[in-house]
Amino acid sequence: EAQVTQNPRYLITVTGKKLTVTCSQNMNHEYMSWYRQDPGLGLRQIYYSMNVEVTDKGDVPEGYKVSRKEKRNFPLILESPSPNQTSLYFCASSPPPARYYGYTFGSGTRLTVV
Amino acid sequence: DAKTTQPPSMDCAEGRAANLPCNHSTISGNEYVYWYRQIHSQGPQYIIHGLKNNETNEMASLIITEDRKSSTLILPHATLRDTAVYYCIVIKYGGATNKLIFGTGTLLAVQP
Repeated sequence: EAQVTQNPRYLITVTGKKLTVTCSQNMNHEYMSWYRQDPGLGLRQIYYSMNVEVTDKGDVPEGYKVSRKEKRNFPLILESPSPNQTSLYFCASSPPPARYYGYTFGSGTRLTVV
Repeated sequence: DAKTTQPPSMDCAEGRAANLPCNHSTISGNEYVYWYRQIHSQGPQYIIHGLKNNETNEMASLIITEDRKSSTLILPHATLRDTAVYYCIVIKYGGATNKLIFGTGTLLAVQP
């Protein structure tokens, strides 16, 4: 089944403890991106990647890192999480040219930083 | 990218057609209209998209006005599982980014 898989689904952590949220897609998509969703602010893009080793900042990249060493994986790294990064996170992927297709989203990761 | 305006909420009776409007009066010629939906904190789900012609797939139909300033998503026979927030997004592809800008969407409540 074609899908975007995120892990973990739920995570509670403490301030400052480094964590990684994994994202993997099995559709050989070139485009991948991360979004966070917060009440009243909607979905906002954190980082995106056009292909392997090609990444760039979205609208809210502060406090996050990403890497794209393989086409299928696009992990989101929080080096020193803070409570304001408590949010619902989504990974998404799409083939190019993206205008002919929609994005496929993962099921989400609910992160709580205490 | 052009901004979109959607009603915050709508109701629809189960089995009836749900017609969700979207205004995108500042859309430019190379911008596409996309519709996604999000069912209670799940990942957004792609529904349909179009440029200027009406489109239909197994999920829905998309009607775009001739001047392209507005569109309507039609779910022909709404079910309870169609209760979700529906997002209308306008985006221009090409260049270095393919960012989806989600607005506040329309909460569609399908009533039994």
